[in-house]
Order: sequence, then structure tokens, then C-alpha cells
Amino acid sequence: ILNVEQSPQSLHVQEGDSTNFTCSFPSSNFYALHWYRWETAKSPEALFVMTLNGDEKKKGRISATLNTKEGYSYLYIKGSQPEDSATYLCASARGSYKLIFGSGTRLLVRP
Amino acid sequence: GAVVSQHPSRVICKSGTSVKIECRSLDFQATTMFWYRQFPKQSLMLMATSNEGSKATYEQGVEKDKFLINHASLTLSTLTVTSAHPEDSSFYICSARDSDSGLVYEQFFGPGTRLTVL
Repeated sequence: ILNVEQSPQSLHVQEGDSTNFTCSFPSSNFYALHWYRWETAKSPEALFVMTLNGDEKKKGRISATLNTKEGYSYLYIKGSQPEDSATYLCASARGSYKLIFGSGTRLLVRP
Repeated sequence: GAVVSQHPSRVICKSGTSVKIECRSLDFQATTMFWYRQFPKQSLMLMATSNEGSKATYEQGVEKDKFLINHASLTLSTLTVTSAHPEDSSFYICSARDSDSGLVYEQFFGPGTRLTVL
């Protein structure tokens, strides 16, 4: 994998459903993996910065895992709420502060 | 904490004019700021890394004479799009690293600027 890829591109779920998305990134020269939550007309909000293989992080109903050897990270949202509707971006930091972003997963949670 | 502002949020200009976009870290000092651009349905793409008191580092394919970056203080970086043309129409967004933070990888983003060149 040469680029950062996210799937799915968009996702519509019902309130209360749990969901997850994937971020794939180059495993060579890995420094850190970032997850951001981006609501329309607002600044992207940092969710997690993950650096260690096997790392798992949690913030409320949102959690993320990291596999640096195979180059993927999963973001999980438990019991989705309408306020979780946003675009979720992942970015790989390779060898420096330089972030390479995926194109995001747009989540819409229906009430 | 860790708030980054960007101004203006939206600008429409005529072809050939120059447009300045400001990025400010409001509650922290940032020796390094970053400028990204996003075209419709594409990823955020890093344009340049702005270093306080020194020249910016531009990514391959980004014209430094076209996109002038000035980082004259620890809380302000500016991006000037010179002689803008319709193909420069895009979403420009900045981020900043907290110089005093031990979390070297964290970047805090502004809300972005939508530039439309007529």
C-alpha cells in the first residue's frame, strides 16, 4: 500500500447501531496514526494518536485499534448517536510530522 | 485549549488578484504550522510546512512563488495565493503543532478557508 486508504467512503446507520471503519496505510517508515473527527464548518478534532503496534485507545463510545505490521487501523463507534455524524479522517505520519491523509469515511446516523 | 483560528472562512476573488489567509494558534505557541489543500472528493494534501523565523518547506509540485508563506511569529502563519486563477479554487486548511507539548505528533487544525476564484 502506497497511500492511506479509508473504507467505506460513506456509511448510513440507524441510531443505536454500532459501526466500524478501516484505515489502511503503508507499514514502512511508520511513525504514528491519527484519527480525526470532522464536522461540517468546524475544525477537524483529534480523536486518537496511536504509535505502538497492538495499541488500543478509547474515548467514550469511540475506540480504535492499530496494527503497524500489516498497516491497518479500525475505528469503532458503539451505539451510534446522531451527533456522531461527521467525516472521520485517518492520517499516517511517516518519518516526520508530515501527515498523509485518507479521503475519509462520511458517517450519517439517522435518528 | 489548543485552538487554531483561520481567517477568512470564505473568499471570492477575481482572477489575477492575490489572497491572504491567516492561521493563528490562539492559546499555544506553534513553531511549526502546516498548510493543506483539499479539492472536491479528495484527501487533504500537504502543501508546505511553515517554520517560525525561517523559510517554509514546500511539497513536490507546489509552487513556492505562487503560494507565499510567512511565519513571522509563534502564533501566526499566513498563506498568500498570488495572482490567483480559477484552478486555485479549493479548500485551504492549516494546522499547528504545540511547541511545548510532549506529544510531538499532534496537530491542531483550523476550520479552513474556501477560496473561489472567478
